[in-house]
Amino acid sequence: TQLLEQSPQFLSIQEGENLTVYCNSSSVFSSLQWYRQEPGEGPVLLVTVVTGGEVKKLKRLTFQFGDARKDSSLHITAAQPGDTGLYLCALGSTLGRLYFGRGTQLTVWP
Amino acid sequence: DARVTQTPRDKVTEMGQEVTMRCQPILGHNTVFWYRQTMMQGLELLAYFRNRAPLDDSGMPKDRFSAEMPDATLATLKIQPSEPRDSAVYFCASGLGTSGYNEQFFGPGTRLTVL
Repeated sequence: TQLLEQSPQFLSIQEGENLTVYCNSSSVFSSLQWYRQEPGEGPVLLVTVVTGGEVKKLKRLTFQFGDARKDSSLHITAAQPGDTGLYLCALGSTLGRLYFGRGTQLTVWP
Repeated sequence: DARVTQTPRDKVTEMGQEVTMRCQPILGHNTVFWYRQTMMQGLELLAYFRNRAPLDDSGMPKDRFSAEMPDATLATLKIQPSEPRDSAVYFCASGLGTSGYNEQFFGPGTRLTVL
């Protein structure tokens, strides 16, 4: 049983389109991180969200933490081929470990 | 430019052989993680260390896997004997501190294929 559920599992879109991917849990998060992983590389941290209702922006990426701290979303505006990758959300624990979802594989076609 | 390094990048071996993967964490990081990534299971934590002491290795099959940190600059993951189901990409990551807020820095991974 996965602690975190990510949806959709796969997403294939054209350059310029907008998209949203989701990360959900039945448990309350103390913190949540989003990572992006490109082919042949390890995941790289994009953002950490901590406060319920928090919204963070990173250029064309908007991250939202749900009010109840049980879900999060990542919205990409005007997607570009360089956004292609596996987007992973991860739940942080007080012991320093992370619990990862299975990810959303995004492909953006030129 | 501080990075986590892993060797080898690719390893093909036959069932029953010993496999050793190595990781050099970022200098000054006190926490080291070993993960395994497959299409079916995603990214799974195998073990992690803080200040070279093992904190949790419950994700690791104990009968064939072992993880050690001989010193602060080297972490190793060994599989003996290897099996085809061990085929996966193995990542090492390092970080600071004890909180889940802390960023983990991943290496490029070792792609293991066991025939």
